[in-house]
Amino acid sequence: ETGVTQTPRHLVMGMTNKKSLKCEQHLGHNAMYWYKQSAKKPLELMFVYSLEERVENNSVPSRFSPECPNSSHLFLHLHTLQPEDSALYLCASSQEVGNTEAFFGQGTRLTVV
Amino acid sequence: EDQVTQSPEALRLQEGESSSLNCSYTVSGLRGLFWYRQDPGKGPEFLFTLYSAGEEKEKERLKATLTKKESFLHITAPKPEDSATYLCAVRLGSSASKIIFGSGTRLSIRP
Repeated sequence: ETGVTQTPRHLVMGMTNKKSLKCEQHLGHNAMYWYKQSAKKPLELMFVYSLEERVENNSVPSRFSPECPNSSHLFLHLHTLQPEDSALYLCASSQEVGNTEAFFGQGTRLTVV
Repeated sequence: EDQVTQSPEALRLQEGESSSLNCSYTVSGLRGLFWYRQDPGKGPEFLFTLYSAGEEKEKERLKATLTKKESFLHITAPKPEDSATYLCAVRLGSSASKIIFGSGTRLSIRP
């Protein structure tokens, strides 16, 4: 139990579908993150939230839309994705933004067909 | 361009055979270097943070060191359960939330 829970664990979606990834943390942290991990590529930081406010958006295409309704929950809304968006999407949290120790969820394995 | 490079890409060792993993970086304004461990099908697990050259940290069979250009993760007398991918990441001074990861070293320990 890492304290960061992601659902679903696996997702297969067509390019015209709309789906959402969910992340929940039970650690009382103020910062939450979305990362993308593709095969043989480094983790890419996508979005950073601090106390429900987005503080970083690393040039992510608009087909990815994050939402942070409160400091414990983070969503990633997906629409009209491309096959190259297939990857492991990881959520993480830390006490504050940039805090050294981040806790990661198990990830959602996304396949776009 | 800010960059983090890990080597080797993969390393296979015999149980008990000590070795080191390398993480070299060229970044402006380093504000911390992190090591994580990632098992297949799981998210990364935090191991260490190093802030300044000369700093060292230890945890069981692992020891992390930092210089001005690189970090090493030393593994002493490894066991099969140490098999995992080890990730290095750096936090940049330009933004409190700017973190760059290396591609990782896939470590395999044979019994």
